[in-house]
Amino acid sequence: DIVLTQSPGTLSLSPGERATLSCRASQSVSSGYLAWYQHKSGQAPRLLIYDAFNRATGIPDRFSGSGSGTDFTLTISRLEPEDFAVYYCHQYGSSPGTFGQGTKVEFK
Amino acid sequence: QVQLVQSGAEVKKPGDSVKLSCKASGYSFITFGITWVRQAPGQGLEWMGWINAYNGNTNFAEKFQDRISMTTDSATTTGYMELTSLTSHDTAVYYCARDAHFGGEGYFDFWGQGTLVTVAS
Repeated sequence: DIVLTQSPGTLSLSPGERATLSCRASQSVSSGYLAWYQHKSGQAPRLLIYDAFNRATGIPDRFSGSGSGTDFTLTISRLEPEDFAVYYCHQYGSSPGTFGQGTKVEFK
Repeated sequence: QVQLVQSGAEVKKPGDSVKLSCKASGYSFITFGITWVRQAPGQGLEWMGWINAYNGNTNFAEKFQDRISMTTDSATTTGYMELTSLTSHDTAVYYCARDAHFGGEGYFDFWGQGTLVTVAS
């Protein structure tokens, strides 16, 4: 199975700042099949990015994804108060699909 | 709009089985598969398996192979996941999600609200 390692574990930032989240895979992710989800406590996860860089419907353009191979990044250009949450990467290029352990973006 | 509405919370004893439902609406049910993901307390997301709503083909994570089943009912546009031989380690929130790839192994574009399953003696 492909292991996804997210870093940092926690990111302490203020509204308006830029957030850069990393997801590193133990082997190359086929076809760039990597997604990012936002998860708030008590809510369903929300798809943000698929195929490494495509924004899902309705996702603001302050969210962007990049990367290929084994290294992927989610960038939030300017944090809004509603962006403080846990973010997971997910690879679906190889079976079984696997998730990273998550990065928590918290208020500084 | 696409919605996935899951059944309510469950409390089970060790050794029991649980069957969860996931009612889909707002799209052609048989065009997408349904996947199940769980989150144990304080843990991350764990993929459990997937079912093709068109033909019933399934693919399960190896750790659940011998005690999980998934079905769908196209008449009611509902997916089901049953997990047997429950232990305390199965205490988790269980999510269903729509798989964006027809053949499975895709990303998950819509999610249910989650069902808390508590296993305790």
